[in-house]
Amino acid sequence: GAGVSQSPSNKVTEKGKDVELRCDPISGHTALYWYRQSLGQGLEFLIYFQGNSAPDKSGLPSDRFSAERTGGSVSTLTIQRTQQEDSAVYLCASSPLGRADTQYFGPGTRLTVL
Amino acid sequence: AQSVSQHNHHVILSEAASLELGCNYSYGGTVNLFWYVQYPGQHLQLLLKYFSGDPLVKGIKGFEAEFIKSKFSFNLRKPSVQWSDTAEYFCAVNAAGGSTLGRLYFGRGTQLTVWP
Repeated sequence: GAGVSQSPSNKVTEKGKDVELRCDPISGHTALYWYRQSLGQGLEFLIYFQGNSAPDKSGLPSDRFSAERTGGSVSTLTIQRTQQEDSAVYLCASSPLGRADTQYFGPGTRLTVL
Repeated sequence: AQSVSQHNHHVILSEAASLELGCNYSYGGTVNLFWYVQYPGQHLQLLLKYFSGDPLVKGIKGFEAEFIKSKFSFNLRKPSVQWSDTAEYFCAVNAAGGSTLGRLYFGRGTQLTVWP
């Protein structure tokens, strides 16, 4: 079946601009995660949605970052007033109900801030 | 807070050589342990995982890992690597219960290059 999809695959923006990154999880998966992969830094947790519960936002690096999940499915990660240090690959993952320990990753969005 | 250390940043091997990638974690509670692999140009995918039971777990493509609780380690092994194993390997942990259930903590990754 279809996996996790993300769009766009690449995004180049100028410093100070806002960007929106989209994630479509696997159909029926209740949990959705955002991670950031910076060069040489591994993967860093950003935010976690589980069903209708309040999201775990503890990994967001600043208040310029926000995310929402509409209808329990699609999620959008928004970065306002982008900075060069925001350049990274942003990965989305989803997992089925009761299996938060098994996450399926999307291809990522490569964000470059000039 | 949990953390994961991968001590080898880049490993270069010839085909048929044996592989061991180190992974240590810090966390006081019960954890689930994972190895993910990212082949060039592909998605991050699960290689193997440990939740409980036999500490020696086998994954896809001949990989295995051993959980040694006393050492907080979960090293990845393969007896004979192939050129197609060239990829980046990530060790990860998450809490087996509690408020942080679900979020994965990753190591920085180890780039494995296998020469034919």
